[in-house]
Amino acid sequence: EVQLVESGGGLVQPGRSMKLSCAASGFTFSNYGMAWVRQAPTKGLEWVATISYDGSSTYYRDSVKGRFTISRDNAKSTLYLQMNSLRSEDTATYYCTRDPDWGQGVMVTVSS
Amino acid sequence: DIQMTQSPASLSASLEEIVTITCQASQDIGNWLAWYQQKPGKSPQLLIHSATSLADGIPSRFSGSRSGTQYSLKISRLQVEDTGIYYCLQRYSNPWTFGGGTKLELK
Repeated sequence: EVQLVESGGGLVQPGRSMKLSCAASGFTFSNYGMAWVRQAPTKGLEWVATISYDGSSTYYRDSVKGRFTISRDNAKSTLYLQMNSLRSEDTATYYCTRDPDWGQGVMVTVSS
Repeated sequence: DIQMTQSPASLSASLEEIVTITCQASQDIGNWLAWYQQKPGKSPQLLIHSATSLADGIPSRFSGSRSGTQYSLKISRLQVEDTGIYYCLQRYSNPWTFGGGTKLELK
């Protein structure tokens, strides 16, 4: 059974950093590109970043470019999202995903 | 960026009714279109990938179609468990873009 389990969320002050993790199991993690998608409270889905299967290519939405870094450790079957200079508009539930599978999501709240 | 215009924003339909949701892409995206269902407090669930292919375990009353840059999700006989919010997603080019969502309720 495929599992994607996010962790690392919580409450953080504006301008601070936070690192999300997504532990994958049930499939050969190193064979697949992965993505982070977020959803602000009561809003729609928004793609954040994508990483290729080997980590050699990464893509970001404009609003997080230069602040967020997606990475992966294939030996640990884990996906990461390093989030720096956090803003209130980054408040959302963050999902890691590799279709058709999604994690349960982790909430990030940016507030003073 | 590719814009995905999804309609309607909300929809109320009766049991067994046929329901259609559409997404209009602002440019050619080929078949790089997926449909998701999301229930309150839950992660999205993939329904359709590659515009017309049913995801594993999804009931056959769900189907996807394409006409040029317009994509449609059809539910042939609406069931109680089909309520929720539906999203389309294009992965033809970065940034990936979702439609605004369609909230489907039972009448």
